[in-house]
Amino acid sequence: DAKTTQPTSMDCAEGRAANLPCNHSTISGNEYVYWYRQIHSQGPQYIIHGLKNNETNEMASLIITEDRKSSTLILPHATLRDTAVYYCIVRAYGQNFVFGPGTRLSVLP
Amino acid sequence: DAGVIQSPRHEVTEMGQEVTLRCKPISGHNSLFWYRQTMMRGLELLIYFNNNVPIDDSGMPEDRFSAKMPNASFSTLKIQPSEPRDSAVYFCASSLTRDREELFFGEGSRLTVL
Repeated sequence: DAKTTQPTSMDCAEGRAANLPCNHSTISGNEYVYWYRQIHSQGPQYIIHGLKNNETNEMASLIITEDRKSSTLILPHATLRDTAVYYCIVRAYGQNFVFGPGTRLSVLP
Repeated sequence: DAGVIQSPRHEVTEMGQEVTLRCKPISGHNSLFWYRQTMMRGLELLIYFNNNVPIDDSGMPEDRFSAKMPNASFSTLKIQPSEPRDSAVYFCASSLTRDREELFFGEGSRLTVL
């Protein structure tokens, strides 16, 4: 079973920041928070992951609360090409990736 | 790098026929994963290999499904005999090692069993 809870869908205006929340209240100390996304008809694509510190790369930022029970993926300037299903996954190294239903993000012009 | 390559991209077959899906992982990657995606159950892990050896096949639905990895650059997922409920998109993914954070997925093989 997926260990995360995400909203089913969200909308975001093009050019604005997209903030995708994820709850993982039962996360263990050795589990990381990962984000993948799946654009229609493509395979999932890795975005970012973190343990407890905030992380940033060329695609997105990951903000993890101090208690690690929730996190937010931030796409700073969403474009139409960011329309996709976003998966939040908690996983310890060596465990399988278990994908839940994710959040369907629609970026609107 | 060409990424993970899957074939065929689309397959339509009749119930009872044998289906073979193929995957070429990224060169140098030691772990390979087969996933299945349906509207009802989402993305499910079927099996994964580490250094060409099957490690966990607990996600394989039944004996009609089998997977092989004869060498580091090739894997197959076979369904025999196929049934309409096997209709799905089958994804292959590879990673540098078992523990690596980044799975690289192929474009998927869309299977329709009539």
